[in-house]
Amino acid sequence: SQQGEEDPQALSIQEGENATMNCSYKTSINNLQWYRQNSGRGLVHLILIRSNEREKHSGRLRVTLDTSKKSSSLLITASRAADTASYFCATVSRGNNRLAFGKGNQVVVIP
Amino acid sequence: DTEVTQTPKHLVMGMTNKKSLKCEQHMGHRAMYWYKQKAKKPPELMFVYSYEKLSINESVPSRFSPECPNSSLLNLHLHALQPEDSALYLCASSLSQVQFFGPGTRLTVL
Repeated sequence: SQQGEEDPQALSIQEGENATMNCSYKTSINNLQWYRQNSGRGLVHLILIRSNEREKHSGRLRVTLDTSKKSSSLLITASRAADTASYFCATVSRGNNRLAFGKGNQVVVIP
Repeated sequence: DTEVTQTPKHLVMGMTNKKSLKCEQHMGHRAMYWYKQKAKKPPELMFVYSYEKLSINESVPSRFSPECPNSSLLNLHLHALQPEDSALYLCASSLSQVQFFGPGTRLTVL
């Protein structure tokens, strides 16, 4: 079942700007992950944030998690044309390793 | 070797054909997955193998038949598919809770 939901679903920005995506979910989670998918290709894991963490950084990526609001955000700073992709959040609930994917955000970075 | 490979990259088949998709990983991961993904949609889980045993079947039609010959290989046998089965089929593997995806097989059923 899909429990993560991202908003907005399509984002078009200029190179160098920041891109922010949000994700909401409905059940208790063990962790929340973000994946990137370039057009027609496989997904690439970007970052994982555990339920007891509030913020995490990896390079130009910043993820926040608010378990009280059951929401997460992904910020990509200083975007590049190569960041053009679909971004999915996925939650992992306690007791299993299944990924529950959200609907995805299409990000287009204009050079 | 830190990647998941899938063959073929593209496959076109008729509704009466039998074909197989293959997936391979050499990362020592003991869980492997098949997903189906339609355009502009998130991946949908089809099957999960854990330690070479089928642990999850998401009510997938029997025209899709998974097989895990050993800990490195995962197959998906296809028979009598429908045009609506056309999609990107993704394989993934995991050791913990992070999944590593292959590039996918783009399947077209005529």
